Amino acid sequence: NAGVMQNPRHLVRRRGQEARLRCSPMKGHSHVYWYRQLPEEGLKFMVYLQKENIIDESGMPKERFSAEFPKEGPSILRIQQVVRGDSAAYFCASSRRQNYEQYFGPGTRLTVT
Amino acid sequence: KNEVEQSPQNLTAQEGEFITINCSYSVGISALHWLQQHPGGGIVSLFMLSSGKKKHGRLIATINIQEKHSSLHITASHPRDSAVYICAVDNNNDMRFGAGTRLTVKP
Repeated sequence: NAGVMQNPRHLVRRRGQEARLRCSPMKGHSHVYWYRQLPEEGLKFMVYLQKENIIDESGMPKERFSAEFPKEGPSILRIQQVVRGDSAAYFCASSRRQNYEQYFGPGTRLTVT
Repeated sequence: KNEVEQSPQNLTAQEGEFITINCSYSVGISALHWLQQHPGGGIVSLFMLSSGKKKHGRLIATINIQEKHSSLHITASHPRDSAVYICAVDNNNDMRFGAGTRLTVKP
């Protein structure tokens, strides 16, 4: 029973490029959460999605960031026109239902050069 | 003031010592999580609790809802327990995180 999977594990992008981060939840989990951990800072909530729906995006920057969780396939966190300040570890977590325990993926470390 | 405060920020212990990490919060919660972040960066969920006490092996987590306080205890600590321990409070999937406690256990 595979855990939460994220890919790529490491991603390097030049300023202005797009970054796509993928998260495959655990089998049977239909709730996905994205978190960001900036260097030397704590985790911060970004967005909470169910299949095909964004439930809470209160933590998402207003511009350049978007997330989706389609009916088929992984959840995608997309960052357009990346800037150096986007360099961070991005973690996703999944749960079976709302308010159930969340299981974390290994994270994607994004470096913007 | 942060909504989730952890103490201490850093903790060094000798192998075998009993460890306590504290978490206080100021918001309403539906659950509280204790997470462990390994030196490599991976995050593991240790506990999710909304009342009372839970135990997994050498780890014990307690929560006092009235006092808005939780503690994570590690008995017979070991160098492999060295990690950052993060308290997170959950209000219907709106998660707020503490800054973490960096634990180093020396052999």
